[in-house]
Amino acid sequence: GDSVTQMEGPVTLSEEAFLTINCTYTATGYPSLFWYVQYPGEGLQLLLKATKADDKGSNKGFEATYRKETTSFHLEKGSVQVSDSAVYFCALSDQAGTALIFGKGTTLSVSS
Amino acid sequence: GAVVSQHPSWVICKSGTSVKIECRSLDFQATTMFWYRQFPKQSLMLMATSNEGSKATYEQGVEKDKFLINHASLTLSTLTVTSAHPEDSSFYICSARGVAAQGGQPQHFGDGTRLSIL
Repeated sequence: GDSVTQMEGPVTLSEEAFLTINCTYTATGYPSLFWYVQYPGEGLQLLLKATKADDKGSNKGFEATYRKETTSFHLEKGSVQVSDSAVYFCALSDQAGTALIFGKGTTLSVSS
Repeated sequence: GAVVSQHPSWVICKSGTSVKIECRSLDFQATTMFWYRQFPKQSLMLMATSNEGSKATYEQGVEKDKFLINHASLTLSTLTVTSAHPEDSSFYICSARGVAAQGGQPQHFGDGTRLSIL
Protein backbone atom coordinates (compact mmCIF):
# COMPACT_ATOMS: atom_id res chain seq x y z
CA GLY A 1 0.00 0.00 0.00
CA ASP A 2 0.84 3.66 -0.06
CA SER A 3 3.43 4.87 2.41
CA VAL A 4 5.55 7.85 3.36
CA THR A 5 9.08 7.70 4.75
CA GLN A 6 10.66 10.66 6.49
CA MET A 7 14.17 11.16 7.77
CA GLU A 8 14.61 10.31 11.42
CA GLY A 9 14.91 13.18 13.82
CA PRO A 10 15.45 15.10 15.87
CA VAL A 11 17.07 17.74 13.73
CA THR A 12 18.91 20.36 15.74
CA LEU A 13 20.02 23.56 14.04
CA SER A 14 21.24 27.02 14.91
CA GLU A 15 19.21 30.02 13.88
CA GLU A 16 19.73 31.02 10.22
CA ALA A 17 20.98 27.56 9.25
CA PHE A 18 19.73 25.78 6.13
CA LEU A 19 17.11 23.10 6.65
CA THR A 20 16.37 19.96 4.67
CA ILE A 21 13.95 17.28 5.82
CA ASN A 22 13.84 14.35 3.44
CA CYS A 23 10.58 12.69 2.46
CA THR A 24 10.01 9.88 -0.01
CA TYR A 25 6.80 8.11 -0.85
CA THR A 26 5.40 4.94 -2.35
CA ALA A 27 2.07 5.22 -4.11
CA THR A 28 0.12 4.00 -7.08
CA GLY A 29 -1.18 6.62 -9.43
CA TYR A 30 -0.58 10.30 -8.85
CA PRO A 31 -0.89 11.29 -5.21
CA SER A 32 -1.04 14.78 -3.84
CA LEU A 33 1.75 15.58 -1.39
CA PHE A 34 1.65 17.74 1.71
CA TRP A 35 3.79 19.02 4.53
CA TYR A 36 2.06 19.67 7.83
CA VAL A 37 3.55 21.30 10.93
CA GLN A 38 2.59 20.59 14.52
CA TYR A 39 3.58 22.97 17.30
CA PRO A 40 3.69 21.61 20.86
CA GLY A 41 0.27 20.72 22.19
CA GLU A 42 -1.52 21.72 19.03
CA GLY A 43 -3.10 20.09 16.03
CA LEU A 44 -1.66 20.06 12.54
CA GLN A 45 -1.42 23.03 10.24
CA LEU A 46 -0.98 22.72 6.51
CA LEU A 47 2.39 24.17 5.57
CA LEU A 48 2.44 23.57 1.83
CA LYS A 49 1.24 21.17 -0.83
CA ALA A 50 1.83 20.01 -4.40
CA THR A 51 -0.64 18.14 -6.51
CA LYS A 52 1.36 17.07 -9.56
CA ALA A 53 4.87 16.30 -10.69
CA ASP A 54 7.30 19.25 -10.73
CA ASP A 55 4.93 21.43 -8.72
CA LYS A 56 6.67 23.46 -6.04
CA GLY A 57 4.78 24.25 -2.87
CA SER A 58 5.97 27.17 -0.78
CA ASN A 59 4.90 29.01 2.34
CA LYS A 60 6.62 31.03 5.09
CA GLY A 61 10.02 30.52 3.48
CA PHE A 62 9.59 26.75 3.28
CA GLU A 63 9.43 24.99 -0.05
CA ALA A 64 9.21 21.49 -1.46
CA THR A 65 9.18 20.17 -5.02
CA TYR A 66 7.17 17.14 -6.14
CA ARG A 67 9.74 14.89 -7.80
CA LYS A 68 8.06 11.94 -9.48
CA GLU A 69 11.30 10.45 -10.82
CA THR A 70 12.73 10.14 -7.33
CA THR A 71 9.35 9.85 -5.54
CA SER A 72 10.44 12.59 -3.18
CA PHE A 73 9.06 15.76 -1.62
CA HIS A 74 11.91 17.14 0.48
CA LEU A 75 11.21 20.16 2.68
CA GLU A 76 13.72 23.01 2.61
CA LYS A 77 14.18 26.41 4.18
CA GLY A 78 17.11 28.69 3.58
CA SER A 79 17.30 30.26 7.04
CA VAL A 80 15.46 28.76 9.99
CA GLN A 81 14.20 30.68 13.01
CA VAL A 82 13.65 29.61 16.60
CA SER A 83 9.92 29.87 15.93
CA ASP A 84 10.23 27.09 13.34
CA SER A 85 10.83 24.57 16.10
CA ALA A 86 8.05 22.00 15.70
CA VAL A 87 7.30 18.56 14.36
CA TYR A 88 6.99 18.32 10.58
CA PHE A 89 4.92 15.64 8.87
CA CYS A 90 5.08 14.66 5.24
CA ALA A 91 1.83 13.17 3.93
CA LEU A 92 0.17 11.96 0.78
CA SER A 93 -3.39 11.71 -0.39
CA ASP A 94 -4.48 9.64 -3.36
CA GLN A 95 -6.50 10.99 -6.25
CA ALA A 96 -9.75 9.86 -4.70
CA GLY A 97 -9.03 12.05 -1.72
CA THR A 98 -9.05 9.34 0.89
CA ALA A 99 -7.48 9.96 4.25
CA LEU A 100 -3.95 11.25 4.47
CA ILE A 101 -1.09 8.87 4.98
CA PHE A 102 1.53 10.41 7.22
CA GLY A 103 5.20 9.88 7.70
CA LYS A 104 6.43 9.43 11.26
CA GLY A 105 7.26 13.09 11.69
CA THR A 106 10.55 14.89 12.15
CA THR A 107 11.19 17.05 15.18
CA LEU A 108 13.06 20.27 14.42
CA SER A 109 14.71 22.18 17.22
CA VAL A 110 16.25 25.57 16.42
CA SER A 111 18.41 27.38 18.95
CA SER A 112 19.44 31.03 18.97
CA GLY B 1 -10.82 30.47 6.34
CA ALA B 2 -11.19 26.70 6.76
CA VAL B 3 -11.23 26.62 10.54
CA VAL B 4 -11.87 23.42 12.44
CA SER B 5 -12.73 23.66 16.11
CA GLN B 6 -12.22 20.71 18.41
CA HIS B 7 -13.60 20.58 21.92
CA PRO B 8 -12.59 19.95 24.63
CA SER B 9 -8.88 20.56 24.26
CA TRP B 10 -8.01 18.59 27.38
CA VAL B 11 -10.01 16.22 29.51
CA ILE B 12 -9.09 14.17 32.56
CA CYS B 13 -11.56 11.61 33.83
CA LYS B 14 -11.88 8.43 35.81
CA SER B 15 -11.66 4.98 34.33
CA GLY B 16 -15.06 3.75 33.13
CA THR B 17 -16.27 7.20 32.08
CA SER B 18 -17.48 7.89 28.56
CA VAL B 19 -16.01 10.98 26.93
CA LYS B 20 -17.39 12.86 23.94
CA ILE B 21 -15.15 14.94 21.67
CA GLU B 22 -16.65 17.38 19.19
CA CYS B 23 -15.22 18.45 15.88
CA ARG B 24 -16.80 21.39 14.08
CA SER B 25 -16.02 23.02 10.77
CA LEU B 26 -16.71 26.67 11.46
CA ASP B 27 -16.68 28.32 8.06
CA PHE B 28 -17.16 25.52 5.57
CA GLN B 29 -19.25 22.42 5.06
CA ALA B 30 -17.40 19.17 5.57
CA THR B 31 -18.80 16.06 3.94
CA THR B 32 -15.93 14.02 5.31
CA MET B 33 -14.29 14.13 8.69
CA PHE B 34 -11.41 12.03 9.90
CA TRP B 35 -10.43 10.98 13.39
CA TYR B 36 -6.81 10.31 14.24
CA ARG B 37 -5.02 9.15 17.33
CA GLN B 38 -1.49 10.23 18.15
CA PHE B 39 0.75 8.64 20.76
CA PRO B 40 3.60 10.66 22.25
CA LYS B 41 6.33 11.42 19.73
CA GLN B 42 4.63 9.32 17.08
CA SER B 43 2.75 9.97 13.91
CA LEU B 44 -0.99 10.18 13.47
CA MET B 45 -2.88 6.95 13.09
CA LEU B 46 -6.18 7.12 11.25
CA MET B 47 -8.95 5.64 13.35
CA ALA B 48 -11.99 6.23 11.20
CA THR B 49 -13.49 8.21 8.36
CA SER B 50 -16.95 9.63 8.74
CA ASN B 51 -19.22 10.90 6.03
CA GLU B 52 -22.21 13.07 6.83
CA GLY B 53 -25.35 11.03 7.21
CA SER B 54 -23.74 7.62 6.96
CA LYS B 55 -21.92 5.19 9.19
CA ALA B 56 -18.25 5.73 9.86
CA THR B 57 -15.63 3.51 8.26
CA TYR B 58 -13.20 2.21 10.85
CA GLU B 59 -9.60 1.22 10.25
CA GLN B 60 -8.51 -2.29 11.01
CA GLY B 61 -7.94 -2.83 14.70
CA VAL B 62 -10.14 0.05 15.86
CA GLU B 63 -13.08 -1.07 17.96
CA LYS B 64 -16.22 0.53 16.62
CA ASP B 65 -18.14 -0.16 19.82
CA LYS B 66 -15.41 1.52 21.83
CA PHE B 67 -15.02 4.58 19.65
CA LEU B 68 -18.45 5.76 18.56
CA ILE B 69 -18.50 8.26 15.74
CA ASN B 70 -21.47 10.33 14.69
CA HIS B 71 -21.47 12.76 11.77
CA ALA B 72 -24.93 14.22 12.00
CA SER B 73 -24.44 17.38 10.00
CA LEU B 74 -22.09 18.97 7.50
CA THR B 75 -20.37 20.89 10.27
CA LEU B 76 -20.25 18.50 13.21
CA SER B 77 -18.76 15.10 13.96
CA THR B 78 -18.39 13.59 17.41
CA LEU B 79 -16.15 10.86 18.77
CA THR B 80 -17.30 9.17 21.98
CA VAL B 81 -14.79 7.03 23.83
CA THR B 82 -17.02 4.64 25.75
CA SER B 83 -16.03 3.23 29.13
CA ALA B 84 -12.57 4.75 28.80
CA HIS B 85 -9.58 3.06 30.40
CA PRO B 86 -6.00 4.27 30.95
CA GLU B 87 -4.84 2.66 27.71
CA ASP B 88 -7.22 4.99 25.84
CA SER B 89 -5.23 7.98 27.04
CA SER B 90 -3.90 9.72 23.96
CA PHE B 91 -4.08 12.80 21.78
CA TYR B 92 -7.09 12.65 19.48
CA ILE B 93 -7.18 14.89 16.42
CA CYS B 94 -9.98 15.43 13.95
CA SER B 95 -9.78 16.83 10.46
CA ALA B 96 -12.33 17.90 7.92
CA ARG B 97 -12.48 18.13 4.17
CA GLY B 98 -14.83 20.40 2.31
CA VAL B 99 -17.69 19.56 -0.03
CA ALA B 100 -16.59 18.31 -3.44
CA ALA B 101 -12.97 18.27 -2.39
CA GLN B 102 -10.71 15.79 -4.11
CA GLY B 103 -7.24 14.50 -3.53
CA GLY B 104 -5.56 17.84 -3.98
CA GLN B 105 -7.60 19.51 -1.30
CA PRO B 106 -6.01 19.50 2.10
CA GLN B 107 -7.66 18.37 5.23
CA HIS B 108 -8.06 21.03 7.88
CA PHE B 109 -7.18 19.93 11.38
CA GLY B 110 -8.55 20.75 14.77
CA ASP B 111 -6.15 21.52 17.60
CA GLY B 112 -6.60 18.10 19.15
CA THR B 113 -7.95 16.76 22.43
CA ARG B 114 -5.64 15.41 25.07
CA LEU B 115 -7.47 12.63 26.90
CA SER B 116 -6.09 11.37 30.19
CA ILE B 117 -7.82 8.49 31.92
CA LEU B 118 -6.92 7.96 35.55
